[in-house]
Amino acid sequence: ELKVEQNPLFLSMQEGKNYTIYCNYSTTSDRLYWYRQDPGKSLESLFVLLSNGAVKQEGRLMASLDTKARLSTLHITAAVHDLSATYFCAVDKDTGNQFYFGTGTSLTVIP
Amino acid sequence: KAGVTQTPRYLIKTRGQQVTLSCSPISGHRSVSWYQQTPGQGLQFLFEYFSETQRNKGNFPGRFSGRQFSNSRSEMNVSTLELGDSALYLCASSKVAGSYEQYFGPGTRLTVT
Repeated sequence: ELKVEQNPLFLSMQEGKNYTIYCNYSTTSDRLYWYRQDPGKSLESLFVLLSNGAVKQEGRLMASLDTKARLSTLHITAAVHDLSATYFCAVDKDTGNQFYFGTGTSLTVIP
Repeated sequence: KAGVTQTPRYLIKTRGQQVTLSCSPISGHRSVSWYQQTPGQGLQFLFEYFSETQRNKGNFPGRFSGRQFSNSRSEMNVSTLELGDSALYLCASSKVAGSYEQYFGPGTRLTVT
C-alpha cells in the first residue's frame, strides 16, 4: 500500500523565520500535491507538481519534487501569522483520482 | 463559477442508523471522489465515480457505498452507523478521471452518537 509520511507533524515557528516541511512517499509517482486546510474548513490546493525537479512558488511558499528520492518539500520563507494552518501533501496512483494523503503538518506561526 | 457543494453541512445520527450525503461537482466536471477525514486516520480515500461508474474504491467496509447520477451529482451512503464513522466527509470533483486538478467541497461533518 502506498504510504505518505510528513514531518514534522507539528511546527511552531516565529514570524520572519524560515522552515521546511518534508513529504516522503513509498512508491513511484510523478504527481505530488500540496494542500492547505484551515480549522473546520475544506482543502485548498496550493501546488501541483507533475515531474521530477518541478519547483513552484507562490508568495512565501515554495514546493519542490524529487521523484527519484520520492521526496517533496514545502519551504516557508519569512513566515507570517496568516500561514498558520495544516498542510497536507498527497500522491495519486496512476489510474485515477485516488489520492493518498500525508499525515499533515500543523503549522503555528507565532507573532 | 460555482464550486463543489455538499449537503448537508452538518449531521447528527445515532448508531445503527443510515445516512446519505450529497455532492454536486463543479459544472462540467464528471469525476467525483469521496474522502473521509478523522483525527486518528487522517484523510482516506473512499471511492471515485466517473460517468456513473465506480472507478476506484478505498479500503472501507461494504457499509460505505456510493453512486453517481447522469448529471454527475454523487451520493454516498453509510449504513448501520458506528461511532467511528464520525468524521468530515469531503467530496472532490475534477473534469475527467485521472485529472490532476481536484477541487474539494466544504465537507459534511457527520457525528454519530
